[in-house]
Amino acid sequence: DTAVSQTPKYLVTQMGNDKSIKCEQNLGHDTMYWYKQDSKKFLKIMFSYNNKELIINETVPNRFSPKSPDKAHLNLHINSLELGDSAVYFCASSLVGANVLTFGAGSRLTVL
Amino acid sequence: AQSVTQPDIHITVSEGASLELRCNYSYGATPYLFWYVQSPGQGLQLLLKYFSGDTLVQGIKGFEAEFKRSQSSFNLRKPSVHWSDAAEYFCAVGRREGGTASKLTFGTGTRLQVTL
Repeated sequence: DTAVSQTPKYLVTQMGNDKSIKCEQNLGHDTMYWYKQDSKKFLKIMFSYNNKELIINETVPNRFSPKSPDKAHLNLHINSLELGDSAVYFCASSLVGANVLTFGAGSRLTVL
Repeated sequence: AQSVTQPDIHITVSEGASLELRCNYSYGATPYLFWYVQSPGQGLQLLLKYFSGDTLVQGIKGFEAEFKRSQSSFNLRKPSVHWSDAAEYFCAVGRREGGTASKLTFGTGTRLQVTL
């Protein structure tokens, strides 16, 4: 009964490949997020969707494309992977107006 | 723009000792403030939050934090640390974005080590 689940948990791939990370929440939340945690543990928001509508789009390369098929899912697709994309990507969700985010366990992406 | 500073990168305390982790924020209005904890290889777990009202807030695992507007601080405290508290602690400030999302800006984290 995991609240926010991400798959895969670990992902190792070569430069230039395309990969996706999936996120699903069963909390009934309306808003979902992607955060990136770099090697120095710094967390930064990338995107946020509310009921399939893009709300937050930080300065992220166009190679990153979020997709939200419904309000319970927010996937992250990354094209032409680069070494600098190596990080832990966290999915999160919240209720509208609640201001409290529930985070998933993270997906560690390693680009070789 | 909102920002958060956690001046201590790494803190070591003995088990049973008291703990205070510092957090300073910069925000133009009344902030939403949070403390999250990240255990090794785990996600982020909310310890406590401050939105308004009583400036001393209680959280899970025996943690508390005090909001001091005059000092722009939201320090985390625990009277007696347990070995299981060893983790990375993140302070964050949030603001509403687009009416529906909550944008959190995190500090750089403080790694807590507990010695037995």
